[in-house]
Amino acid sequence: GAVVSQHPSWVICKSGTSVKIECRSLDFQATTMFWYRQFPKQSLMLMATSNEGSKATYEQGVEKDKFLINHASLTLSTLTVTSAHPEDSSFYICSARLSGETQYFGPGTRLLVL
Amino acid sequence: GDSVTQMEGPVTLSEEAFLTINCTYTATGYPSLFWYVQYPGEGLQLLLKATKADDKGSNKGFEATYRKETTSFHLEKGSVQVSDSAVYFCALSLIGGAQKLVFGQGTRLTINP
Repeated sequence: GAVVSQHPSWVICKSGTSVKIECRSLDFQATTMFWYRQFPKQSLMLMATSNEGSKATYEQGVEKDKFLINHASLTLSTLTVTSAHPEDSSFYICSARLSGETQYFGPGTRLLVL
Repeated sequence: GDSVTQMEGPVTLSEEAFLTINCTYTATGYPSLFWYVQYPGEGLQLLLKATKADDKGSNKGFEATYRKETTSFHLEKGSVQVSDSAVYFCALSLIGGAQKLVFGQGTRLTINP
């Protein structure tokens, strides 16, 4: 149980376009979802926390107008990278939490902006 | 601010060797501590956790003890297998609030047969 999926697993796009990444909890309803970003050989950095039906809470230094997060249901959260640029290329990982402390992680989405 | 520091990798061992991956933390409160593992091509999975001082988390032969006096949570396994090859992340979560996780940088472990 507690499976989280992400789609797509990888995406290549042109600079200036927008990219949407989906995060789904497949067998449970997630009250909270988290979005992380991971640079090569570096740790996961939390970008934002989202609760179903409310606005996401962004970490300091993360541009909310650039990284749009929608958490429309208890099983789906989306991250849209707007007007992507090469410096946005990274590995984006989501996690979902039902209750308590344990987060269940998706497999990640690798974004390459040309 | 809160932070986690892990032993730098990569770490390469032979099968059946003893494993230690060091992890120390800095936190203003009383965090819960976690080890997550990421196998190739998969998402992070919770390996073990400890929620208070002197607790020992264990799973799949791995152990880690919450040491408040040394602010450490070192991961150990007595005899590693090839299937343990993965990236290991130490993390902390402060009780209350959004219970956000703060991760260490990860340690890549390779076990050779």
